[in-house]
Amino acid sequence: DVKVTQSSRYLVKRTGEKVFLECVQDMDHENMFWYRQDPGLGLRLIYFSYDVKMKEKGDIPEGYSVSREKKERFSLILESASTNQTSMYLCASSFPWGPPLEQYFGPGTRLTVT
Amino acid sequence: DQQVKQNSPSLSVQEGRISILNCDYTNSMFDYFLWYKKYPAEGPTFLISISSIKDKNEDGRFTVFLNKSAKHLSLHIVPSQPGDSAVYFCAASASWWTSGSRLTFGEGTQLTVNP
Repeated sequence: DVKVTQSSRYLVKRTGEKVFLECVQDMDHENMFWYRQDPGLGLRLIYFSYDVKMKEKGDIPEGYSVSREKKERFSLILESASTNQTSMYLCASSFPWGPPLEQYFGPGTRLTVT
Repeated sequence: DQQVKQNSPSLSVQEGRISILNCDYTNSMFDYFLWYKKYPAEGPTFLISISSIKDKNEDGRFTVFLNKSAKHLSLHIVPSQPGDSAVYFCAASASWWTSGSRLTFGEGTQLTVNP
């Protein structure tokens, strides 16, 4: 079974703090993704990576950065957290080509910025 | 702009009846479509997919229909069970052979199946 794990299920941070969200997958997938999920907006892509040290901006990259130093690990960084970054953050991984194209998701991190 | 739209935020059906979840898209480059199910406090899980060369795909109680001319797809669940109560997301991929596995998701529909 594919396993995608995220470092924290719940996180509370203060405005202005630097926040690291970690994601690890065990299926040797080339592609990894970070999304945020907000009510009424669905899943929106923040960044994705198709190889080690490679990254591409998604639809809402502002205020975020990412790091992929190893194939199995993809980190999302909030350089200076703001209250509008309070959200559910979901990490996913997949093979680069398909079909099938399905992405495998972690359980999510509920981040609250106060 | 929202390229994948699920216009119904919620749907309630009785156990044993059919659930029909709808999804519309605007990008004519989309050629592969997926449905995901999400329970609270869990990540989405893949349910079923369809390529644009087909108009129907079945997997047990789940069937996805694709109408390319209308840019519309639907997910049918028959019969519906209380355990199907979840948020369902529609997702689409454009020219997957060049864009890899990048997906665009809809807003989601909360399905509630009443016993």
